[in-house]
Amino acid sequence: NAGVTQTPKFRVLKTGQSMTLLCAQDMNHEYMYWYRQDPGMGLRLIHYSVGEGTTAKGEVPDGYNVSRLKKQNFLLGLESAAPSQTSVYFCASSHGVLGVKNIQYFGAGTRLSVL
Amino acid sequence: TQLLEQSPQFLSIQEGENLTVYCNSSSVFSSLQWYRQEPGEGPVLLVTVVTGGEVKKLKRLTFQFGDARKDSSLHITAAQPGDTGLYLCARGGTSYGKLTFGQGTILTVHP
Repeated sequence: NAGVTQTPKFRVLKTGQSMTLLCAQDMNHEYMYWYRQDPGMGLRLIHYSVGEGTTAKGEVPDGYNVSRLKKQNFLLGLESAAPSQTSVYFCASSHGVLGVKNIQYFGAGTRLSVL
Repeated sequence: TQLLEQSPQFLSIQEGENLTVYCNSSSVFSSLQWYRQEPGEGPVLLVTVVTGGEVKKLKRLTFQFGDARKDSSLHITAAQPGDTGLYLCARGGTSYGKLTFGQGTILTVHP
């Protein structure tokens, strides 16, 4: 049982290039989330999805787009990468149960550098 | 804006020592979670605390939720090198299970 799988694990981009990060979960979870982690900042929510075909903005959505065409996949896109988007990106998923039982399971992360 | 303040930001100790990490907020939260993250991996949930004054133990780790539900602490007894990692607190109980994280505490336990 793989859990939450993120691809790629590492990527280097030049300013202005575009790319898509893929998150796949095999736990039949309803909710999925994209975070970025920067030194001294903890994790900050970029976008999230509460079901197939639905997405919503989180705390730091600017410069990113997302899509959830299939329940098991959540894609994060950077249309025109900027150095400020250099970060480690984490995807998470959860059952969607309300309250304290809603546990998030995280992938291993994608380390992105924008030169 | 950081709604959760963790302290200390860095902690470097010798094996066998005890330590405490703090997580504070100016507002009340309905639940708080503690995560541990190892290098190259994603965060893994350790515990969720819900009730003011609640204390939970996980082997050598003791988690406490303040009476007013504005603060929490993580105490590790007799730390071991395997405890090395990033410890994160996160405020939960919001809509759609969204979490707000503190900035984290990097713990290094030297043999």
